[in-house]
Amino acid sequence: GAGVSQSPSNKVTEKGKDVELRCDPISGHTALYWYRQSLGQGLEFLIYFQGNSAPDKSGLPSDRFSAERTGGSVSTLTIQRTQQEDSAVYLCASSNVGSYGYTFGSGTRLTVV
Amino acid sequence: TQLLEQSPQFLSIQEGENLTVYCNSSSVFSSLQWYRQEPGEGPVLLVTVVTGGEVKKLKRLTFQFGDARKDSSLHITAAQPGDTGLYLCAGAGGGSNYKLTFGKGTLLTVNP
Repeated sequence: GAGVSQSPSNKVTEKGKDVELRCDPISGHTALYWYRQSLGQGLEFLIYFQGNSAPDKSGLPSDRFSAERTGGSVSTLTIQRTQQEDSAVYLCASSNVGSYGYTFGSGTRLTVV
Repeated sequence: TQLLEQSPQFLSIQEGENLTVYCNSSSVFSSLQWYRQEPGEGPVLLVTVVTGGEVKKLKRLTFQFGDARKDSSLHITAAQPGDTGLYLCAGAGGGSNYKLTFGKGTLLTVNP
């Protein structure tokens, strides 16, 4: 596609349930990033993929968070046993090798009730 | 840990006024980027600066990277209501050219 696509755009879930967030990057972009944006906290790095591997997972807040990328394309961020503090906008971005800039998707707004 | 401090946090001005947003750090960055984000959307890249002292102009927007590559500024001339949004600076460096560290942003409102 022309841009980075994220789904769903909004997700309301009950505390304790698992959720999956999807990101479809720009075709041909080898690098993919997940960030989390909370009110007053700015954008927080979660994980970086180069191809299908994740050389940097240092931003994942706990072992309830995991992510995978298949075929060097689509990525899924999974949050298990969601907690209220997981409520945030989850942003995905992709970029090409040698490119400074990220192209972001519109994000998934996650609300845990 | 690299941190980027942005100021001011909020800015409300009238159409036609000029403004400057600042982005400061104690760390050196290999490159620095500015993004603009509108409600319900992801950030959109405005510019990347990579050389200390570099100045880039994008229509009414002027971006400057400090000589020591620790700070940056964004100046908007004759602001328009369409400039309203959240302005974010983001730096790459510290041995990690792929991972961006973001400031918390400046929320700009331009009133007609």
